[in-house]
Amino acid sequence: AQSVAQPEDQVNVAEGNPLTVKCTYSVSGNPYLFWYVQYPNRGLQFLLKYITGDNLVKGSYGFEAEFNKSQTSFHLKKPSALVSDSALYFCAVRVHGGYQKVTFGTGTKLQVIP
Amino acid sequence: GAGVSQSPSNKVTEKGKDVELRCDPISGHTALYWYRQSLGQGLEFLIYFQGNSAPDKSGLPSDRFSAERTGGSVSTLTIQRTQQEDSAVYLCASSLGGGTNEKLFFGSGTQLSVL
Repeated sequence: AQSVAQPEDQVNVAEGNPLTVKCTYSVSGNPYLFWYVQYPNRGLQFLLKYITGDNLVKGSYGFEAEFNKSQTSFHLKKPSALVSDSALYFCAVRVHGGYQKVTFGTGTKLQVIP
Repeated sequence: GAGVSQSPSNKVTEKGKDVELRCDPISGHTALYWYRQSLGQGLEFLIYFQGNSAPDKSGLPSDRFSAERTGGSVSTLTIQRTQQEDSAVYLCASSLGGGTNEKLFFGSGTQLSVL
């Protein structure tokens, strides 16, 4: 079985400050890890993914995430938050190989305060 | 079209009625997924198709739910004898496949309201 935990329902951060949205995962085997974002009244969009290689991956809109195998984490980060980053963020995982069931977390609402 | 298309965008139905939700994936995408998004519940996996076959139906909540995919393209999710707890946004996503192509493209969803 595979699962994703996003321990924070909501994260508040002041504009210009660094932000972190946490994600831990559980999977039997090597993981593919993803972050998706859902802006208000818009569909889910891909942000970034970790497949293999460098543990630090960079994605859209200045976001990055670090894969930490020992801590089974894949936290999303951005050095300087924008008000426009306010949205619902989902972490997702699937295992290498086999079929492609992708399991999502429950989501974290990011609120960037002006 | 260029993206994943879902229809209808909104569906209001009475308890006990059957509903069909449609998904048109991006052309050429072999993988297709159905998820359900309820308030505060995140994305609940329902079913996954690779081509026309469904290797994993484990997420379907009950035998009232079924899905099919024809021609490796369009998929239909059918809910029979709808219940109020079926009210949610039903999302469809498609993907080219693994490795560097690993990325889901989502439709805008169908908002289902069961009265």
